[in-house]
Amino acid sequence: GQQVMQIPQYQHVQEGEDFTTYCNSSTTLSNIQWYKQRPGGHPVFLIQLVKSGEVKKQKRLTFQFGEAKKNSSLHITATQTTDVGTYFCAAASNTGKLIFGQGTTLQVKP
Amino acid sequence: KAGVTQTPRYLIKTRGQQVTLSCSPISGHRSVSWYQQTPGQGLQFLFEYFSETQRNKGNFPGRFSGRQFSNSRSEMNVSTLELGDSALYLCASVGRGTVPGELFFGEGSRLTVL
Repeated sequence: GQQVMQIPQYQHVQEGEDFTTYCNSSTTLSNIQWYKQRPGGHPVFLIQLVKSGEVKKQKRLTFQFGEAKKNSSLHITATQTTDVGTYFCAAASNTGKLIFGQGTTLQVKP
Repeated sequence: KAGVTQTPRYLIKTRGQQVTLSCSPISGHRSVSWYQQTPGQGLQFLFEYFSETQRNKGNFPGRFSGRQFSNSRSEMNVSTLELGDSALYLCASVGRGTVPGELFFGEGSRLTVL
């Protein structure tokens, strides 16, 4: 079945450093979503990308959708302790269900 | 407006027992999806319901079942519990029923099987 691979699994950074997580699929995606889950919390929707090559920004967060619509990335500039959590990408399968990547857990050292 | 409500929040069961979890979606949302979250496996899709019909199903054994009521509330049931069923069970509702849109997750039901 369709799989969405996300790397890295864990990332430890010093506060102020940048962070990037990548999401890859073997099949073309109609769209991709990103979620953030704080420790002990539930996933919260961040953004949805639909168009090939799309780039969206939310303050220090930059989301990209690849030209071939098979990969996506989330980049955080100058991380802060409030960025701690697990970031998931999610893609719709051809049957409509949303498939989540394994997630990247970000730890930020103050 | 109220978010997605899941009950119970925490529960402990023993092997062989069964459990029923409840989810009330955001008012007006007709689609409900269930996910199992474990540290090693991430978020695994269980099933999705729309207007009382199961629209999608993940790769879980038949011990996992669900249903949706006319008021869009959903329940999932796990029978003959195994230790590996210990997980956080998340329910999510979607505003638009035909296209995977933004998922609104509940706080989850944390199940521990002893």
